[in-house]
Amino acid sequence: QQQVKQSPQSLIVQKGGISIINCAYENTAFDYFPWYQQFPGKGPALLIAIRPDVSEKKEGRFTISFNKSAKQFSLHIMDSQPGDSATYFCAASMTGGFKTIFGAGTRLFVKA
Amino acid sequence: GAGVSQSPRYKVAKRGQDVALRCDPISGHVSLFWYQQALGQGPEFLTYFQNEAQLDKSGLPSDRFFAERPEGSVSTLKIQRTQQEDSAVYLCASSLSGRGETQYFGPGTRLLVL
Repeated sequence: QQQVKQSPQSLIVQKGGISIINCAYENTAFDYFPWYQQFPGKGPALLIAIRPDVSEKKEGRFTISFNKSAKQFSLHIMDSQPGDSATYFCAASMTGGFKTIFGAGTRLFVKA
Repeated sequence: GAGVSQSPRYKVAKRGQDVALRCDPISGHVSLFWYQQALGQGPEFLTYFQNEAQLDKSGLPSDRFFAERPEGSVSTLKIQRTQQEDSAVYLCASSLSGRGETQYFGPGTRLLVL
């Protein structure tokens, strides 16, 4: 019940295309859903986050879509660039808890 | 300002050795987290500190793992009698308050147990 399932494992997108990464969760007590970006040899860095009271959040080229009834959320990267090539992790946590549960990650490669 | 720093960046240990991994959080951050990241996987929660108090250690894999943050700033993760399955990247993160706040990660310590 604590799992966050992420797909796909890897993704190749042409420059300028849209990258879409999906996550699903089971625990309805989760109320904070961040996405992290990680480059090789670095720690994860927060990209964008959403709470379940909204269905969509956009920051620049990055958008989170959230479907509370389906317990799913996704990251859309518009106009993908080679510099976006990294591993992306979705995550979930709950107010009153200390754990953040991470998905297994998606390795994105944007072809120039 | 300075981010989260961790040392050493790389550590090679022989099976059975004890290791100590250090984390310097962002100054003034109340919350500190330790994660273990296996190759090709997402980070897995190990333990959480609020100031010097260890409020959650449910993710520590065994009693060989011990973490402390005695003065509410620097933290040390100690692994006793290391095993090959302990090989992973150990990430430290800090946040201003903790719950639902942005966590700032350090670069990690890559531990290899031979």
